[in-house]
Amino acid sequence: AQTVTQSQPEMSVQEAETVTLSCTYDTSENNYYLFWYKQPPSRQMILVIRQEAYKQQNATENRFSVNFQKAAKSFSLKISDSQLGDTAMYFCAFSGYGQNFVFGPGTRLSVLP
Amino acid sequence: GAGVSQSPRYKVAKRGQDVALRCDPISGHVSLFWYQQALGQGPEFLTYFQNEAQLDKSGLPSDRFFAERPEGSVSTLKIQRTQQEDSAVYLCASSTPRTVYEQYFGPGTRLTVT
Repeated sequence: AQTVTQSQPEMSVQEAETVTLSCTYDTSENNYYLFWYKQPPSRQMILVIRQEAYKQQNATENRFSVNFQKAAKSFSLKISDSQLGDTAMYFCAFSGYGQNFVFGPGTRLSVLP
Repeated sequence: GAGVSQSPRYKVAKRGQDVALRCDPISGHVSLFWYQQALGQGPEFLTYFQNEAQLDKSGLPSDRFFAERPEGSVSTLKIQRTQQEDSAVYLCASSTPRTVYEQYFGPGTRLTVT
C-alpha cells in the first residue's frame, strides 16, 4: 500500500519570501503521479501542481515548483514570492494510473504580512 | 461547464439518523470517487465508480456506509445509523478517461453528528 508523509504540520513565511513544503512517499510502483493540492477554508481542493513519475524534469507552475527525487521518494513544493492568498492547507497526494488518491496529513501554511 | 457540485454543503444529524449526501460530477466524467476528511487530516479514500459500476469500496469504514451511482452520473453516499465518529467532510471527485490522473473535487459536505 502507498503512504504519503508530510512532516511539517505547520509552517509560516513572510510575504514575498520563499518557502518549501516537504513530502515523502512510499510505493513499489514505477509509474505514478504526484500532486500538491491547496485547500483554503472554503474546503475546495485546488490543484497546485502535478508531476508524472516518468518525467525527470521538475514541474513548474508560475510561482510554484517541485523538487522530485524519485530514488529518494521525495516530492517537495517550493512557493516563491509568497502571497497572502497562499495561506491554506497544502496536501501532497499520490496516485497510480486511474486509481484513487492517497493524501498526506497536510501542512498548514500561513503567509504573514 | 460547471464543476463538481455536492449537496447539502452542511448537514447536522442526530446520532442514529440516516443521511444521504449527493454528488453531481462534471458532465462526461466516467470516474467518480468519494473521500472522507476528518478535521485536521488529509482526505481518505472511501469508494470508486466507473460509470455505474462500483469498482472499489475497500475504503468504506463499515457496512453502515453505502454508495450508489445507478445511471452513471449522480452519486449518493448514504450513511445509516450515524455515529459521532462519522463527523467529517465528505469530498467527491470526478475524472475522465483521458485525464485519469487528474481528479476534480467538489466543495464537500460537512457532516456533524450530535
